[in-house]
Amino acid sequence: GAGVSQSPSNKVTEKGKDVELRCDPISGHTALYWYRQSLGQGLEFLIYFQGNSAPDKSGLPSDRFSAERTGGSVSTLTIQRTQQEDSAVYLCASSAGTAYNEQFFGPGTRLTVL
Amino acid sequence: GQSLEQPSEVTAVEGAIVQINCTYQTSGFYGLSWYQQHDGGAPTFLSYNALDGLEETGRFSSFLSRSDSYGYLLLQELQMKDSASYFCAVTNTDKLIFGTGTRLQVFP
Repeated sequence: GAGVSQSPSNKVTEKGKDVELRCDPISGHTALYWYRQSLGQGLEFLIYFQGNSAPDKSGLPSDRFSAERTGGSVSTLTIQRTQQEDSAVYLCASSAGTAYNEQFFGPGTRLTVL
Repeated sequence: GQSLEQPSEVTAVEGAIVQINCTYQTSGFYGLSWYQQHDGGAPTFLSYNALDGLEETGRFSSFLSRSDSYGYLLLQELQMKDSASYFCAVTNTDKLIFGTGTRLQVFP
């Protein structure tokens, strides 16, 4: 089947606006992860879903960030009252099980906050 | 705290062999993975080591020493297409903790 898809591919917003980023994982993958990557940097873990529940939200930078997953499939990452420091590429990955298994990454959403 | 250290950049010529080291300090450890990321692309999985020793997959090999909290990725017979960033990542219970990445530039 298809790989992980993310939308939009690019998002430009003004400081203070809310944004929603979407991730469609590989069909049947129970685990879903969100990461953030700033220019030239590594991947920063944000949140992990197993099914529809999020056992680990430890990476969310502030309470402006939230995420949900419905039907054990699509996930949405919401950033409220965006700040310029939120500008980054947001990557989603899915895997068939736990982090022991290979993670398959989507192409990412490049967020620019003006 | 959690930290993974890798060299920031490595250069080599086509056909050569290069080794990218990774040392880690994490509160939990289940295994070490390596991912490749081309500019503008998504990270792709290369290898996973849960036990000490060398794992070989074609031109790429990965090594782990748990007692030394150390691993490396070995790339042989380098090709231009191997120019990319390489990330080591520790499996920590339910998530991956990534290093800051090593940018490999392969020259003709």
